[in-house]
Amino acid sequence: NAGVTQTPKFQVLKTGQSMTLQCAQDMNHEYMSWYRQDPGMGLRLIHYSVGAGITDQGEVPNGYNVSRSTTEDFPLRLLSAAPSQTSVYFCASSPGDRLKHEQYFGPGTRLTVT
Amino acid sequence: AQSVAQPEDQVNVAEGNPLTVKCTYSVSGNPYLFWYVQYPNRGLQFLLKYITGDNLVKGSYGFEAEFNKSQTSFHLKKPSALVSDSALYFCAVRVDTGFQKLVFGTGTRLLVSP
Repeated sequence: NAGVTQTPKFQVLKTGQSMTLQCAQDMNHEYMSWYRQDPGMGLRLIHYSVGAGITDQGEVPNGYNVSRSTTEDFPLRLLSAAPSQTSVYFCASSPGDRLKHEQYFGPGTRLTVT
Repeated sequence: AQSVAQPEDQVNVAEGNPLTVKCTYSVSGNPYLFWYVQYPNRGLQFLLKYITGDNLVKGSYGFEAEFNKSQTSFHLKKPSALVSDSALYFCAVRVDTGFQKLVFGTGTRLLVSP
């Protein structure tokens, strides 16, 4: 199993550009989530999904969109990048839909917006 | 608000000495609590969790955590620290707002000196 994979590993965007961060898992997990990690602020939840076709907002959803058309994939879209979105982004997955189990994290995407 | 707090930004300990990384929580109902570790330039890795049962939970790499309901704490401990334990540690609590989601603390950097 590859586990949770994320692409790209690094990305530089100009303000106003759009892009999609890819996340995929091959463990048939129902629960998937996106976090951003900023110094001194820990991990903050952006969006999450409890199964295909079901998504919800986390703590910091503004400026980001998600969709979940398959169990495996959970892409994160930045509609119009802003410098405040410079961060490290982590995708995670977990079995079931009630977070009784640990989350498996991807390696992260480091995004810089200039 | 439902949350976790990690009161120490950094903990310093000498190799071979016991270590404690503190976490307190604030949730309604019974808490589901987790500890994760992050090594440099890596995603988070699961260490241990408390769902129910024994207040002392044993996890990976010799770590354990003690759940204390009266003090609303879930401190991470290890009897004898290793230099390789140096990393960033995150406490997290499951929050139930319809769907379940994890709320993370801001993290504690552990430095183990030789």
